Amino acid sequence: GDSVTQMEGPVTLSEEAFLTINCTYTATGYPSLFWYVQYPGEGLQLLLKATKADDKGSNKGFEATYRKETTSFHLEKGSVQVSDSAVYFCALRNTGGFKTIFGAGTRLFVKA
Amino acid sequence: NAGVTQTPKFQVLKTGQSMTLQCAQDMNHEYMSWYRQDPGMGLRLIHYSVGAGITDQGEVPNGYNVSRSTTEDFPLRLLSAAPSQTSVYFCASSGASGGEYEQYFGPGTRLTVT
Repeated sequence: GDSVTQMEGPVTLSEEAFLTINCTYTATGYPSLFWYVQYPGEGLQLLLKATKADDKGSNKGFEATYRKETTSFHLEKGSVQVSDSAVYFCALRNTGGFKTIFGAGTRLFVKA
Repeated sequence: NAGVTQTPKFQVLKTGQSMTLQCAQDMNHEYMSWYRQDPGMGLRLIHYSVGAGITDQGEVPNGYNVSRSTTEDFPLRLLSAAPSQTSVYFCASSGASGGEYEQYFGPGTRLTVT
């Protein structure tokens, strides 16, 4: 079945450091890929998405590129801030369906 | 727009008790889902609905019931609470927007079963 694997956390960075959170997926067909973010005490909210191969999703300085050849959708940010501290979830939704498969989440701590 | 609302925010139950977690959305979305979030396991789908009167099981449905009598509401019922149901529960809704089904999540209900 479809699945998402993302790097284990927590990831601890200093402010202004470069961030990469790895995500790989297994899916039949041509899924859409998402990154969701969960701030402390809140529900998840969509951060960015990509719907086909080579698409780049971007939002709030975060980027991820849909790589079909490596089945990956790694999240990157050039300079993290303390306010980026949260849990990040990679997810996929397969063609023709609405059900979303989530990875286990990666907790990010950013120190001032 | 309130988005997706959930009540209560916190709940403590004793083993064997029953309760209903409420979820409502005001975006006229056709799809609604219930997830549970446990440490290290991401979100797991409990039940979902593709429209009023239509529900189906997700990945971990045992011990839970749902119904969808209106587009807006999608309550989750715990029939006989067990400690293994201690978790954070999220309701989500989604509807086609430009062909994509972005999910909107409620703030969650933290449930403890003793």
